[in-house]
Parts: sequence; C-alpha cells; structure tokens
Amino acid sequence: SQQGEEDPQALSIQEGENATMNCSYKTSINNLQWYRQNSGRGLVHLILIRSNEREKHSGRLRVTLDTSKKSSSLLITASRAADTASYFCAASSNDYKLSFGAGTTVTVRA
Amino acid sequence: DAGITQSPRHKVTETGTPVTLRCHQTENHRYMYWYRQDPGHGLRLIHYSYGVKDTDKGEVSDGYSVSRSKTEDFLLTLESATSSQTSVYFCAISESGTGFYEQYFGPGTRLTVT
Repeated sequence: SQQGEEDPQALSIQEGENATMNCSYKTSINNLQWYRQNSGRGLVHLILIRSNEREKHSGRLRVTLDTSKKSSSLLITASRAADTASYFCAASSNDYKLSFGAGTTVTVRA
Repeated sequence: DAGITQSPRHKVTETGTPVTLRCHQTENHRYMYWYRQDPGHGLRLIHYSYGVKDTDKGEVSDGYSVSRSKTEDFLLTLESATSSQTSVYFCAISESGTGFYEQYFGPGTRLTVT
C-alpha cells in the first residue's frame, strides 16, 4: 500500500512563482524523503527530513514535517523551467524500505 | 547519476517467456532495490537485497524473483511474463538502511509484454 500520498496531482505555475505540494502518510515514520523525476529519467533524491526534524532547507527547497498530522510539504521558491518534473514523497517506516506516493506533476510556464 | 546501470533499457517480449533484468552498481552499496512504476501508482517495491545472497520481498513480489551473487549485481527475473508486468522497472541502491540514507536510482528499463 502507498504510505505517501501527494496533493495536488498536478500543478501549473508561472516561472518565478513558488510551488507547494503536500504529502500525507499513514503510519509512524523514521524519515520522509522527496524525490524529483524528469520525464523518461530515474528519480533523483532532493531532501531527507528525519522524524525529529520540523523543517529543512536545501537551496530553493524547503521541506516541513508535521508528525502529529502525518504530513509534509515541499516548497520550491522562485521556480524555473528546469523545475518542470514530477515530485514524489517517500516515507520510511523501517530501515530498508521506502513507500512512494503517486507524485505531483509540476509544470513551470515561461 | 550515481554509478548504476540497468540493462536492457528497453525490451519487448511475449506473454509466457522468461525475462531477466540486470542492475549493476559501482558504488559498493550494500542495499539494492527493484521497483516498478505505473501511472497512478508511483513506485512500488518488488524485491530488495541487504547483502550478497540476502533478499526479501516487497509489496508486489508475485511473479518476480531476484538473485544477488555479487555486491555489484542484482537481477530481477520474470519467470513467465504477463501483460500486467508491462511497466517501467527501476533499480535503486542505498549505502545503508533508509533510516539514514537516501536511495540512488538507475535510468530504468521499459518492459512491454505483448
């Protein structure tokens, strides 16, 4: 079963705007990860946030985690055309496996 | 991309034939994973390995088997391919358990079963 569920399924924004996507999960986790996938390519790891962390930054990315609500959000600031991709959250509830959501497809318009 | 290759990259096969996909890594990572990606489902774990000859099932393991005889190679076998196994297959590696480390993904293999 999918542990991570992203919302919205698709997002279209203008270049320079911010993009926010959300992820909900069902059981307790030890970390939550976000990945990006460009069309026809493999997934690329973006950021990992541990269950005892509430916020993490990496360049133009900001991730928050609310374990009481079992949810996380990914914010991409000042979006660029190169940010056009699908974004997946993945919840780790044990040491070996990740459970991925179905993803959010982000389109950045020039 | 991290040192992960998958072969073949594309394959068309007929129902009932056996198929083997290969994942090769040059990172000497202990953990290796096979996922399938289908529209609307994200990635689903098929099998994973936590060391040479150590493997376990994921959430969609029926109809698949795996083998790992060397650290660098992880093979996925479809014993008798079915149309429901048409998918894109991704291999991933991880230095350790995902409690502390991210996964690195290969470029994928697009498999079509006719």
